[in-house]
Amino acid sequence: QQQVKQSPQSLIVQKGGISIINCAYENTAFDYFPWYQQFPGKGPALLIAIRPDVSEKKEGRFTISFNKSAKQFSLHIMDSQPGDSATYFCAAFSGSARQLTFGSGTQLTVLP
Amino acid sequence: GAGVSQSPSNKVTEKGKDVELRCDPISGHTALYWYRQRLGQGLEFLIYFQGNSAPDKSGLPSDRFSAERTGESVSTLTIQRTQQEDSAVYLCASSFTGTGEGYTFGSGTRLTVV
Repeated sequence: QQQVKQSPQSLIVQKGGISIINCAYENTAFDYFPWYQQFPGKGPALLIAIRPDVSEKKEGRFTISFNKSAKQFSLHIMDSQPGDSATYFCAAFSGSARQLTFGSGTQLTVLP
Repeated sequence: GAGVSQSPSNKVTEKGKDVELRCDPISGHTALYWYRQRLGQGLEFLIYFQGNSAPDKSGLPSDRFSAERTGESVSTLTIQRTQQEDSAVYLCASSFTGTGEGYTFGSGTRLTVV
């Protein structure tokens, strides 16, 4: 059973544009929501993360928006750059399961 | 080492053979995870080790899959009688605690079963 649904599967944006990736979850026990960035041939690397007591977190050009009541969270990449081209995964963690559950990934392409 | 090290980086094996994949976690990280990533898909949880506690094996897809970890050091993932559907990238991650924070992934082992 997929517990974290991610969309879109792929995304193409122009340089300087805003990239938006959305995730929805079902398990209300999740209490930590990280985003990972993965380049080809590499393992995923932590990009930014949020806990449900906060509605938004910003780090540089990357922002997570979190809607606890809707059980949704999203990643916004401002001023997208070609170097941001990668696969992005949302994830969710619950203390009871003690493991990260990942979304299916979004392949982002930023055109120069 | 500075990061999570996995070996081999690539493995091609014949159907029916056994394979062993190795993960060297970051020193001091008590938690270690194995995930499987099929081409173009997300990460599928396989198994979790936390210190000397019994591992969480709930993600292992069949009894052909097993993993071991001695204390807080190296882990090996073994796949017996490999099948073509086992072809994937196997990723290992470690963290200082089992709280979800600070997961550091290795670059993975790309397994191809022919």
